[in-house]
This record gives sequence, C-alpha cells and structure tokens, in this order.
Amino acid sequence: DGGITQSPKYLFRKEGQNVTLSCEQNLNHDAMYWYRQDPGQGLRLIYYSQIVNDFQKGDIAEGYSVSREKKESFPLTVTSAQKNPTAFYLCASSRPPTVDGNTIYFGEGSWLTVV
Amino acid sequence: KQEVTQIPAALSVPEGENLVLNCSFTDSAIYNLQWFRQDPGKGLTSLLLIQSSQREQTSGRLNASLDKSSGRSTLYIAASQPGDSATYLCAVTDSWGKLQFGAGTQVVVTP
Repeated sequence: DGGITQSPKYLFRKEGQNVTLSCEQNLNHDAMYWYRQDPGQGLRLIYYSQIVNDFQKGDIAEGYSVSREKKESFPLTVTSAQKNPTAFYLCASSRPPTVDGNTIYFGEGSWLTVV
Repeated sequence: KQEVTQIPAALSVPEGENLVLNCSFTDSAIYNLQWFRQDPGKGLTSLLLIQSSQREQTSGRLNASLDKSSGRSTLYIAASQPGDSATYLCAVTDSWGKLQFGAGTQVVVTP
C-alpha cells in the first residue's frame, strides 16, 4: 500500500543527545515536510523540501536538521540545541502545488520525550 | 504573516445533530484550503481540499465552503455520529506548498 512510514513511534532522548526520526514515502511525491505539534496547538512547520538535495527552513527550524538524499526519504534530526523537544512530530508529503489537487498526506507521527 | 484561527476550540453535540466548524485566515492569497481529521495520538487524514477558485466541496456527509475574499471557510458535517468524534484542523496552502494550520476544533459526539 502507498503511504508514509514514520519510525520509531515512540522515542526517548536524554539531555545532550541527538536523535533522528525516520520518514519514508512510496507515493512518488516530490515535496516532503516535517511538522511539530504540541498539545492543544496546531502544527508548526520545521523544514520542507520540494526536491531532492534541497530543503528550506520552516517557522521553527532552530535545533533541527534534515537531509534529502533520496526522493523517498526525509529524516529529521533533533539536536541537543533544541531546548524543548518533547512533542509529537509529523512527516508529510505532497505533489507540487502547481498540480491540481495537491492533497497532503501525513504519516502516523512520532512521539519524542526528553528524559 | 498568515494566521489561521478556528472557532470554537471544542464542541460537544448529541448524535444526529449537524456540526458547523469555522476557520478564518488573514491573508486571502492562498492556493487552496484543506480540512483534516486527527484522532488522538494519530496523524492527520485529509477530508476535503478546496482550490482557491472553488466555492465548496462535498464528500458524503461533509461539505466545506470557502469565501476567499472574507477569509473564511466552514465545514459542515450532517447527522453527526459518535465516530465523528475527533479534532478537525483546517490549513491554508501558499503557492510554495507550505501549509499554515489552525489549532483545531475538538469535537465530541455523544450517543
């Protein structure tokens, strides 16, 4: 089945550690996104990528890094510089907005907790 | 900067009643508007997408309207069911494909 796979579902990070969240899609979408969701709040954009080997900062990129070496993959690293990383992280993908009906598809999310 | 607001933040209705969820945005230069459903601890599922040139979209019991000039969209869910209980989010898309989300409306449909 086509879709977006995020792993792990639950992740615990110790102070000072970097952790990487995986996101893989088999929808052949060019655009991929990472969002952060805090309880009772909407989604905020961390990073997005419109094409392989290119990505742009979103609204809250500080303390995060990404790579886009393959069309299917867009991993997110939460670095030790991110002071409040406990949140629900969502990966998404879509066709370019110039294509009619660019519905965005989301993965099931990853919960990150600092211990 | 685009701001998206959803009112009310929470809503509880008895089964069978129609649901009306509101979304407003400050910048009318949008590419499209989408409504999503989110179950607790899960990702988002797209319900309806309205292109900026359209006035409404329908899918089953769901109908969404868009008034771009006034910066408003409304999602109607007819004859609500307990299975409709979830958080509903709206998001507007700019020409780069970036979405700006509202905080969502949490809906509870009681049997």
